[in-house]
Amino acid sequence: DAGVTQSPTHLIKTRGQQVTLRCSPKSGHDTVSWYQQALGQGPQFIFQYYEEEERQRGNFPDRFSGHQFPNYSSELNVNALLLGDSALYLCASSLLGFPSPQETQYFGPGTRLLVL
Amino acid sequence: DAKTTQPTSMDCAEGRAANLPCNHSTISGNEYVYWYRQIHSQGPQYIIHGLKNNETNEMASLIITEDRKSSTLILPHATLRDTAVYYCIVNGSGTYKYIFGTGTRLKVLA
Repeated sequence: DAGVTQSPTHLIKTRGQQVTLRCSPKSGHDTVSWYQQALGQGPQFIFQYYEEEERQRGNFPDRFSGHQFPNYSSELNVNALLLGDSALYLCASSLLGFPSPQETQYFGPGTRLLVL
Repeated sequence: DAKTTQPTSMDCAEGRAANLPCNHSTISGNEYVYWYRQIHSQGPQYIIHGLKNNETNEMASLIITEDRKSSTLILPHATLRDTAVYYCIVNGSGTYKYIFGTGTRLKVLA
């Protein structure tokens, strides 16, 4: 059973460029969340996608956008990159359970982005 | 802001039980307690979760106090590979995002 996969594993970009990160959820999962983890800090929630729509968004600017495809995979796009966008970007998948009140999220290995 | 507080760091001797505490005094009735760990530069790994009863799986045990204001993750026989940052998270119905705190950096000593 494949877990959450992310690509690429590492990426180097320069300020002002745009980047697209990809995530495939765990088999059977339908919901994808994205997190940003700066060095030495805990992950911070960017947004979550379910049924190809953004369900909730954290405190991130519009430069951060996403997409979910019919096969539940997802992309995170960041425009106009800043030095401060350098971080580990984590994807997590879960299954929207009803009437289950909780959704356990399973994380991928992350994509490490360095902006120069 | 995170709804949990954890000690910044802890040491544990290899082979001994590691007991990691977490305070979540504002937890709501429908919120679960989740534990994850993150080994250097990897994605967080799910360990265990619970609502109000104690839980055990192949990785760890979770003890939740009766008033649910705190919990303890127990690794019964810590190994060097358990060295990681451990995060305690409170999450419930309608709250899709996980709010991570700074976690506890556990170092298992040989």
